[in-house]
Amino acid sequence: GNSVTQMEGPVTLSEEAFLTINCTYTATGYPSLFWYVQYPGEGLQLLLKATKADDKGSNKGFEATYRKETTSFHLEKGSVQVSDSAVYFCALSTTRGNEKLTFGTGTRLTIIP
Amino acid sequence: EAGVVQSPRYKIIEKKQPVAFWCNPISGHNTLYWYLQNLGQGPELLIRYENEEAVDDSQLPKDRFSAERLKGVDSTLKIQPAELGDSAVYLCASSQGGSFYEQYFGPGTRLTVT
Repeated sequence: GNSVTQMEGPVTLSEEAFLTINCTYTATGYPSLFWYVQYPGEGLQLLLKATKADDKGSNKGFEATYRKETTSFHLEKGSVQVSDSAVYFCALSTTRGNEKLTFGTGTRLTIIP
Repeated sequence: EAGVVQSPRYKIIEKKQPVAFWCNPISGHNTLYWYLQNLGQGPELLIRYENEEAVDDSQLPKDRFSAERLKGVDSTLKIQPAELGDSAVYLCASSQGGSFYEQYFGPGTRLTVT
């Protein structure tokens, strides 16, 4: 079956620090990979995605590269801000569409000024 | 544009009582999802609707959970009777026609069963 393993949190960083949140997966078939973000009091939002090996998804300064050889999709940002404090979820879908998402457990990120 | 609306945001009930959650998707979105999110876990799909048809309810515990989407717009998820283990956040999401489109999530309903 499909599963996603995320780096356990919580993660606390100082503003302008470099961020990496690790995500690895197992999947039947060829998955599409996603990062979702959940800000306090809000619903999950799609942050970025990649649909094939070596694709790089990027948005709001965040990046993640689809690594098929290591089955990974690590989230990175060069310089975090206080406003990046949120819970981040890695997810995959092996269906032809994206209707069946499998999520990781989430990583809570707190950025301190 | 209004996002996905869910109500109530919080609900506390005693075990064995019934409870219902309501979701209003983004206008024009004909795909609607209900997810269960346990504390410290990622969301898990309960049911997916295409218009008024439930096309995937394989993860819905049908002995106590039911859902409906009358007229293919609003949806209601019901639990009867509730158990202590049902305490969780219930998320609703919607997307445009077809599964290739991004899912937009509501803020969720946090249920506490005492």
